[in-house]
Amino acid sequence: GAVVSQHPSRVICKSGTSVKIECRSLDFQATTMFWYRQFPKKSLMLMATSNEGSKATYEQGVEKDKFLINHASLTLSTLTVTSAHPEDSSFYICSAPREYGYTFGSGTRLTVV
Amino acid sequence: KQEVTQIPAALSVPEGENLVLNCSFTDSAIYNLQWFRQDPGKGLTSLLLIQSSQREQTSGRLNASLDKSSGRSTLYIAASQPGDSATYLCAAVFGNEKLTFGTGTRLTIIP
Repeated sequence: GAVVSQHPSRVICKSGTSVKIECRSLDFQATTMFWYRQFPKKSLMLMATSNEGSKATYEQGVEKDKFLINHASLTLSTLTVTSAHPEDSSFYICSAPREYGYTFGSGTRLTVV
Repeated sequence: KQEVTQIPAALSVPEGENLVLNCSFTDSAIYNLQWFRQDPGKGLTSLLLIQSSQREQTSGRLNASLDKSSGRSTLYIAASQPGDSATYLCAAVFGNEKLTFGTGTRLTIIP
């Protein structure tokens, strides 16, 4: 149980376009979703925290206008990378807190060309 | 600043040996600590979760310990197998519900 489904797993897009990443909680209600970014051979860096029905909270240095987060329902949180550039290429992963720890999505590998 | 550190960054061990992965954290007011496994290009798989009131957790060949006073956690893997090769991450919660991740240890089990 406690599965977070993340899509797409891999996406390649052209510079200047936008990409939406979805995370769905399949068998529980996720009132909070954390969004992380991971550079090659590096650890996970928290980008923002989304809360159902309210504005997301962004970590210092993360551009809120570039990384749009929407948490419109208890089972869906989305991250949209707007006007993507090659430096946005990274591994993005979501996570929902549970009673006993955290459950993670499978991640999205974004490549901007 | 609350930080989580893992040393070494990489470790190679012959198959069959027991091994210990280390995780250090700077704030003793830890809420819980979780160990994850990440395969290349994949998401995270939760291995063990230790609450602040616990000293260790076991699952199969894995045993994780927590020592708040020294700011350390260890992940012990018994009888290592090639399939154990992966990056192992520890992550701590310091009371604000946010996970702070360590830098990870890339483990290679040599057949």
